[in-house]
Amino acid sequence: EDQVTQSPEALRLQEGESSSLNCSYTVSGLRGLFWYRQDPGKGPEFLFTLYSAGEEKEKERLKATLTKKESFLHITAPKPEDSATYLCAVQAIYSGNTPLVFGKGTRLSVIA
Amino acid sequence: DGGITQSPKYLFRKEGQNVTLSCEQNLNHDAMYWYRQDPGQGLRLIYYSQIVNDFQKGDIAEGYSVSREKKESFPLTVTSAQKNPTAFYLCASSTYKDTQYFGPGTRLTVL
Repeated sequence: EDQVTQSPEALRLQEGESSSLNCSYTVSGLRGLFWYRQDPGKGPEFLFTLYSAGEEKEKERLKATLTKKESFLHITAPKPEDSATYLCAVQAIYSGNTPLVFGKGTRLSVIA
Repeated sequence: DGGITQSPKYLFRKEGQNVTLSCEQNLNHDAMYWYRQDPGQGLRLIYYSQIVNDFQKGDIAEGYSVSREKKESFPLTVTSAQKNPTAFYLCASSTYKDTQYFGPGTRLTVL
């Protein structure tokens, strides 16, 4: 069974204090690993897709990396507007548009 | 302006009542999905559809029903058989084997 575990559940940072969020996964053949940002009461907003171990992607203060067992979302010098829940999801290699399997998310709070 | 719309934003259901949540997309995506989100839980898949007039059950389909008569639309009905329907419902869509994009969500509350 495909599984995704995110840690920590919640993270509180001071503005400018860099850190990383972890996403560990087990999947029978990875097609892609996805990171989303979700603000309270809103739908998830797509951030990154990673397809193979060693791949990295960056967007502003965020950088996502991928190994064969986990992914990290690195946040460099965060600002209060980075506060949100960050969701990780995996998609297995099957035919067609297979649904995503999500972790429970990491709730990030950045304090000014 | 392309995107996914969900309506209503808030919905209240009385005991024993069926309610239907709307999801529409103008992105020309083939696949559409319904997820349920509860506090402290990840998103859980209810139903998905890869093509018009075809859909598959997800992990928590009991008490829900869907239809896919048009490519743009994928309504979800929460039936009276769903005993704990209070949750945040999210619709998503994607092209073939591509990234899923989400709508703004509908919050359903049982009175």
